[in-house]
Amino acid sequence: GENVEQHPSTLSVQEGDSAVIKCTYSDSASNYFPWYKQELGKRPQLIIDIRSNVGEKKDQRIAVTLNKTAKHFSLHITETQPEDSAVYFCAAPMDTGRRALTFGSGTRLQVQP
Amino acid sequence: DGGITQSPKYLFRKEGQNVTLSCEQNLNHDAMYWYRQDPGQGLRLIYYSQIVNDFQKGDIAEGYSVSREKKESFPLTVTSAQKNPTAFYLCASSPAGLAGNEQFFGPGTRLTVL
Repeated sequence: GENVEQHPSTLSVQEGDSAVIKCTYSDSASNYFPWYKQELGKRPQLIIDIRSNVGEKKDQRIAVTLNKTAKHFSLHITETQPEDSAVYFCAAPMDTGRRALTFGSGTRLQVQP
Repeated sequence: DGGITQSPKYLFRKEGQNVTLSCEQNLNHDAMYWYRQDPGQGLRLIYYSQIVNDFQKGDIAEGYSVSREKKESFPLTVTSAQKNPTAFYLCASSPAGLAGNEQFFGPGTRLTVL
């Protein structure tokens, strides 16, 4: 099965700065990499995802990059705002061909005003 | 956010009791999942079901049971065999096909053992 490691566990940035969270995965056959945002006491919500046939995907201030050779993918948030403060989780398919996901341990992002 | 509901929002259980958490979706999704989240930690998969009348164990299935008699419903029973059940439980679902990896989460049930 897949193993996903996420770093850092906590990240504090000043408002307007950029934030980067990195995940590594073990299964070279993995082909789908989502990022979820979870606010305190709320459900995780998908913010961006990438499939293995592309190297980068952007959505306004959020981008995800994928390096298949090194088996890592990263979340980039530019011009951070206080409402970006939350826990962010990366994930990858648990097994090839299955839809169940293995999640990283999460990164608590704090954006200081 | 809509389409997946979980009940109750908060649940208190005495030691030795079985409790059942409800999860319902009206998104016509084939697959459904149960995750457990402990404070400050990630999501761990308990059980998942890719089709009605079929389900598979996840990483931490011991002490839990599920059923999938209807496409819309995937209840989770926390049995007395689960040694440390206090946690936040999240249900999710995903559609079929190429979009099937994207999971949509319910609002969660917070279970506390007294």
